[in-house]
Amino acid sequence: GIQVEQSPPDLILQEGANSTLRCNFSDSVNNLQWFHQNPWGQLINLFYIPSGTKQNGRLSATTVATERYSLLYISSSQTTDSGVYFCAVWTSYGKLTFGQGTILTVHP
Amino acid sequence: KAGVTQTPRYLIKTRGQQVTLSCSPISGHRSVSWYQQTPGQGLQFLFEYFSETQRNKGNFPGRFSGRQFSNSRSEMNVSTLELGDSALYLCASSGLTGNTIYFGEGSWLTVV
Repeated sequence: GIQVEQSPPDLILQEGANSTLRCNFSDSVNNLQWFHQNPWGQLINLFYIPSGTKQNGRLSATTVATERYSLLYISSSQTTDSGVYFCAVWTSYGKLTFGQGTILTVHP
Repeated sequence: KAGVTQTPRYLIKTRGQQVTLSCSPISGHRSVSWYQQTPGQGLQFLFEYFSETQRNKGNFPGRFSGRQFSNSRSEMNVSTLELGDSALYLCASSGLTGNTIYFGEGSWLTVV
C-alpha cells in the first residue's frame, strides 16, 4: 500500500519563528489533507490540498502531486501552534493513510 | 452546522468486557469511518460505512465490529477487551468520496 512519511519527527521553535513540515507519499493521490491534533486528541482539518497551494492566515500548504510531496508552512509561530501535525492521503473508501506525524513544540 | 459527535468521551473497562462507541456524523454526510490511535501504531483505519453497508475494512481482528444506521449514525463495538485495546478511537465523516474528511473529538478507552 501507499507509504506516507513525514519529516522532521520533532520540531522545537521559539515563538515567532517560521517552520516547514514535509510529507512524502509513495504513489499518486487524489486527496491529501493536513491535520493538527490538539492536546485533547481531536484532529483539526487544516487543509484539503491534493495539488496546488492554499493559505489560511499564518498557515499555508503546497502539494506537488507529480513529485509526490506536500509542505506545510507555519509562519510567526505561536505557543498555541504546539501539537502534532499529520498529513494523510485517501487510499480507498473512507480510508486515510496517515504519516507518523511531526511533534511541534513552540516555546514562549 | 454541528460537527462529528462521539460518545462517550472517556471510559474505563475491564479486560474481557465489551464496549460500544457511538458516532453521529455531520448532517448530510453518509460515509462514516473509524480509526484507532495508539502511541506505538499511530493512526490506523478500522472500517468505513456508507448507507448502512461496510465498504472498507482495515486489518483488525473480528473482535472489532461496527454498524451504521439509516440516519447515518454509527457504532463500533469491541468485544473481549484486551489491554492493548486501550487507545483513542476516532470517528470521521465525509460527504463525497475523495472529499474532505472531518473527525470527531474521539473516545478515550482505557482497559484495565
